[in-house]
Amino acid sequence: DGGITQSPKYLFRKEGQNVTLSCEQNLNHDAMYWYRQDPGQGLRLIYYSQIVNDFQKGDIAEGYSVSREKKESFPLTVTSAQKNPTAFYLCASSTGTLARSYEQYFGPGTRLTVT
Amino acid sequence: DAKTTQPNSMESNEEEPVHLPCNHSTISGTDYIHWYRQLPSQGPEYVIHGLTSNVNNRMASLAIAEDRKSSTLILHRATLRDAAVYYCILSNSGYALNFGKGTSLLVTP
Repeated sequence: DGGITQSPKYLFRKEGQNVTLSCEQNLNHDAMYWYRQDPGQGLRLIYYSQIVNDFQKGDIAEGYSVSREKKESFPLTVTSAQKNPTAFYLCASSTGTLARSYEQYFGPGTRLTVT
Repeated sequence: DAKTTQPNSMESNEEEPVHLPCNHSTISGTDYIHWYRQLPSQGPEYVIHGLTSNVNNRMASLAIAEDRKSSTLILHRATLRDAAVYYCILSNSGYALNFGKGTSLLVTP
């Protein structure tokens, strides 16, 4: 079955450590996205990528980094510079790069807790 | 992208129709109206989207006002599995969707 996988589902880290969240899709989608969700809030865009080896900052990119070396993979690194990293992280992908025209498919999310 | 306004929460009885409203008074002529829903502890799921005309699919119907300043997502027969947060989103030239807080739908048996 085609879809998006995120691993792990739950992740615990100590403050000051970098951590990388995995996102893989087998939908052959060009565009991929990372969102962050805090309790009771909507989703906020961290980074997005329209094509391999290219990515752009979203609304809250500070303290995060990404890479897009392969079409199917878009890992997110939460660095120690991110002041409030504890959140639910969601990866998404879409066929095209204009949000108005293309349905976004979301992964199951990774819940990161930093203490 | 223009802003949307949705009620914080709504309640429905199982097997009854549900009408989820969304106001978007500053919508532009090229803004698409998208609806997604998010079940607890899961990623959002696409429901439906449209531009001017009403739209139907297997999950729901989207009714768009003639002046496009509001729209309504219609679930024809609510089930317990429809309990979720429903997001109404406008999208134009951007590359990502702007999720607000949405409407939390409670379905009671």
